[in-house]
Amino acid sequence: GESVGLHLPTLSVQEGDNSIINCAYSNSASDYFIWYKQESGKGPQFIIDIRSNMDKRQGQRVTVLLNKTVKHLSLQIAATQPGDSAVYFCAEIPGTYKYIFGTGTRLKVLA
Amino acid sequence: EPEVTQTPSHQVTQMGQEVILRCVPISNHLYFYWYRQILGQKVEFLVSFYNNEISEKSEIFDDQFSVERPDGSNFTLKIRSTKLEDSAMYFCASSESAGQGRGYTFGSGTRLTVV
Repeated sequence: GESVGLHLPTLSVQEGDNSIINCAYSNSASDYFIWYKQESGKGPQFIIDIRSNMDKRQGQRVTVLLNKTVKHLSLQIAATQPGDSAVYFCAEIPGTYKYIFGTGTRLKVLA
Repeated sequence: EPEVTQTPSHQVTQMGQEVILRCVPISNHLYFYWYRQILGQKVEFLVSFYNNEISEKSEIFDDQFSVERPDGSNFTLKIRSTKLEDSAMYFCASSESAGQGRGYTFGSGTRLTVV
């Protein structure tokens, strides 16, 4: 079927290269941030999170950077693999319950 | 790994009809959520539900929407009189505690098409 996000910004990277996906958030009160991956036909999947008292957090092959001064998040994926192809969203959590998602970036990994 | 299950995966309905989207959250989770994603747009928060009542809702969640936990396992979103602009993917999510990132799990979504 038709996939969501047809008009998303797209980042194309060669397999094995590093990917950097950026996100600007809106609410200065947000103190918790998450990157999600969404594959076609699936719901968002948690990748990595970071609290506002940190500026960097590393996971397996992924790193999230937070710049509170300019309200900017980035997701770095090392040695990008074909299975990394998906839409990536950042989410900010300004309160208790709801997540505010960014527009998303489509990552295409070229063989 | 525990999953949030949504049914149906795709529903087509006539404008003006009522639809009920169904979700089975993860069994030990206490917080439940609905989000929607219009084609090509952001995932948007609709509502959160805890202790059998709405804890927060967005401006999208107007009087035509309602949520219910009719039994110990299901969590439903009802749209009373569907409009064309209700066509979207609807995601259910659940979490063990409020705002918990890693444990905040999304289902695969129901694609609602209003014709």
